[in-house]
Amino acid sequence: EDQVTQSPEALRLQEGESSSLNCSYTVSGLRGLFWYRQDPGKGPEFLFTLYSAGEEKEKERLKATLTKKESFLHITAPKPEDSATYLCAVEGYGGATNKLIFGTGTLLAVQP
Amino acid sequence: NAGVTQTPKFQVLKTGQSMTLQCAQDMNHEYMSWYRQDPGMGLRLIHYSVGAGITDQGEVPNGYNVSRSTTEDFPLRLLSAAPSQTSVYFCASRQGLEDTQYFGPGTRLTVL
Repeated sequence: EDQVTQSPEALRLQEGESSSLNCSYTVSGLRGLFWYRQDPGKGPEFLFTLYSAGEEKEKERLKATLTKKESFLHITAPKPEDSATYLCAVEGYGGATNKLIFGTGTLLAVQP
Repeated sequence: NAGVTQTPKFQVLKTGQSMTLQCAQDMNHEYMSWYRQDPGMGLRLIHYSVGAGITDQGEVPNGYNVSRSTTEDFPLRLLSAAPSQTSVYFCASRQGLEDTQYFGPGTRLTVL
């Protein structure tokens, strides 16, 4: 069964204090791994898609990396506006089509 | 483009009432999905569609119906609302598998 586990559940950082969020996954053939950002009361906002181990993608202070078992979202010198819940999801080749499995997210709080 | 739109934004129902949550997208996407988001549970797939006239069940389909008569619209029907259906509902769309999935702003539903 496809599964996604995110850690930590919550993370509090000082502004400028870099850190990483983890997404561990099991899937029968990875079609894609997706990172989203979700602000309170809003829908998830797309950040990155990673397709194969070794792939990396960057956007401003965020960098996503992928191995065969996990993905990391690295946050460099975060600012208070980076505070949000970060969601990870995977899509596998097995089973139903158009089915993303989501983790429960990491709630990030960046204090000035 | 408006992207993915959902109405209403908030809704309160009594147990046993029925209602339809509306979802529309103007990106000509083939794939559309409905998720529910509950604290500590992550986003869970209710129903999905891979094109007009084609729908299938996701992880938690009981108590919900969908139809897809046009590419643009994908309404979610609650047949007889129960308190267990209190949740935040998100509609999403994507052009194809492996493509970015875009989410709507959500509908917060409370069933008393």
